[in-house]
Amino acid sequence: GENVEQHPSTLSVQEGDSAVIKCTYSDSASNYFPWYKQELGKGPQLIIDIRSNVGEKKDQRIAVTLNKTAKHFSLHITETQPEDSAVYFCAASSGTYKYIFGTGTRLKVLA
Amino acid sequence: SQTIHQWPATLVQPVGSPLSLECTVEGTSNPNLYWYRQAAGRGLQLLFYSVGIGQISSEVPQNLSASRPQDRQFILSSKKLLLSDSGFYLCAQTGSGETQYFGPGTRLLVL
Repeated sequence: GENVEQHPSTLSVQEGDSAVIKCTYSDSASNYFPWYKQELGKGPQLIIDIRSNVGEKKDQRIAVTLNKTAKHFSLHITETQPEDSAVYFCAASSGTYKYIFGTGTRLKVLA
Repeated sequence: SQTIHQWPATLVQPVGSPLSLECTVEGTSNPNLYWYRQAAGRGLQLLFYSVGIGQISSEVPQNLSASRPQDRQFILSSKKLLLSDSGFYLCAQTGSGETQYFGPGTRLLVL
């Protein structure tokens, strides 16, 4: 079946450094790619998304890049802060309103 | 804006007891609604989704069921809980687009 692979599963960075999380999807029909941040005990919150007709999108310290040929998309967080510590999930959708989620990345920003 | 209410926030139930989790949403009319389960430290498993009143699609066979008695109400139920039903249950909705927005979740512990 369709799946989304997400790496790494855990990531520790020093405060102020950058963090990169990568996802690979299998369904070539996927055209929408959201990223969610989940803090402990809370529901996931959308932080950024990208559609297949765009190669890159940026929102302040967060950016997402998409390589449709390679079926890769990545989340980039610059100038990390302790409050960026959370679990991050990528997802892919082919327009059926059903998402295929990655397995999550636990990001720890060390002060 | 997309606002989702879930209750209860936490629940401890004995094995074999019934379950009813409720989700109500605000925002656009006729949203798609979703129930996900998240085991501790794990990813998101889609359980049910609904594209309209009385329309329920099940993603995985289990002893859970879902109902949508009103446009903005989604209920997750079980007649007899199993230990394996423990987890974090998340309700989500889509509005006019395909972006899913998640509620705060219900933590269920079956003992």
